[in-house]
Amino acid sequence: DQQVKQNSPSLSVQEGRISILNCDYTNSMFDYFLWYKKYPAEGPTFLISISSIKDKNEDGRFTVFLNKSAKHLSLHIVPSQPGDSAVYFCAASGGSNYKLTFGKGTLLTVNP
Amino acid sequence: DTAVSQTPKYLVTQMGNDKSIKCEQNLGHDTMYWYKQDSKKFLKIMFSYNNKELIINETVPNRFSPKSPDKAHLNLHINSLELGDSAVYFCASSQKNGAYNSPLHFGNGTRLTVT
Repeated sequence: DQQVKQNSPSLSVQEGRISILNCDYTNSMFDYFLWYKKYPAEGPTFLISISSIKDKNEDGRFTVFLNKSAKHLSLHIVPSQPGDSAVYFCAASGGSNYKLTFGKGTLLTVNP
Repeated sequence: DTAVSQTPKYLVTQMGNDKSIKCEQNLGHDTMYWYKQDSKKFLKIMFSYNNKELIINETVPNRFSPKSPDKAHLNLHINSLELGDSAVYFCASSQKNGAYNSPLHFGNGTRLTVT
């Protein structure tokens, strides 16, 4: 029962271009969404979040877009840098128990 | 200074053994968690403690028992280890339970291999 889906296991982009990572969710109770970044042999680190009252949140090179009607969110990284190469996890929470539900992650490779 | 530290980083043990993983956070957070990342790469919550009180207990075998001696520590004890327990276990903490703008801070994980 995957309530948070990241359908692209990997994505490769050129340095300087835009990276777009996608995430879909099925649970209508979700009202808070986050992106985490993970390097090998390290734990995930928080990147950016958005609550359901907004449709966009921006932090430097990172922007998250939320389309509630489509139950879809995306993370835009522009310009992409080689140091952005990592696994990106989408996560969502909502309802009464506040637990985070994670997607499987998308491996982003930014080529110099 | 590591914010969320867990030990050991690697743990290789045989089926049937009992083992513990320790976790400590120095962020002053109220809530701590254990997550499991299995071979399919899903990160799934196992337990959550808020100020030493258990608040989330997912469908986890009774062989797994978390212990929180104080709000800065959350240890995970596993009895009678099975092959299927092999995974990476992540400890995490957050300032408040479920509050917005209170993201999780993760440790670097413990890779458990059961042979």
